[in-house]
Amino acid sequence: QSALTQPASVSGSPGQSITISCTATSSDVGSYNLVSWYQQHPGKAPRLMIYEVSKRPSGISNRFSGSRSGNTASLTISGLQAEDEADYYCCSYAGSLVVFGGGTKLTVL
Amino acid sequence: EVQLVESGGGLVQPGGSLRLSCAVSGFPFSRYWMSWVRQAPGKGLEWVANINQDGSEKNYVDSVKGRFTISRDSAENSLVLEMNSLRAEDTAVYYCARDRGSLRFDCWGQGTLVTVSS
Repeated sequence: QSALTQPASVSGSPGQSITISCTATSSDVGSYNLVSWYQQHPGKAPRLMIYEVSKRPSGISNRFSGSRSGNTASLTISGLQAEDEADYYCCSYAGSLVVFGGGTKLTVL
Repeated sequence: EVQLVESGGGLVQPGGSLRLSCAVSGFPFSRYWMSWVRQAPGKGLEWVANINQDGSEKNYVDSVKGRFTISRDSAENSLVLEMNSLRAEDTAVYYCARDRGSLRFDCWGQGTLVTVSS
């Protein structure tokens, strides 16, 4: 079981906003300012969407935003579009090791 | 253009060995941490191992410690994952990824499939 817990699925209609949570369930998941988020379409490599909780790499739409409250990080996608339908993974450290959340499947209705 | 190209995947019997390579181009390879990340069929991402810029620091997920070895060849601009004592649960697509620090895996290869089966 991952030290980072995500909901298995979320859904939303085009134009709406959705939020995906990522909760640290292990006490050794530290430095929770180091959280990144990845988008993965079927059969494709993951793509970095957010790093250091809330920073966007160049080329990533400002519809994607990240935040953190306590031991839960969140990815919010506003103005949902059909191409946002994908799997999303959070990522952080557990000690010196890297851990990914279990992933959340986003369905755009 | 930044490119990471994995190779070496295939079908191997349980207990067997395999050597994966990741050929890197388009950026100064020796300046970056690098990682291997895998994804079992229909499952999520799992970080496997990473290595620092000069190869002096390596970290592994517990499930592969003692069986897998990560290394890098700066002269060849390649990242390597030596996998021994392979198990069925090692079956996955293996990706190499560049780490810009702060868990910023900003470039990924296309992945190579490893299947462990008799």
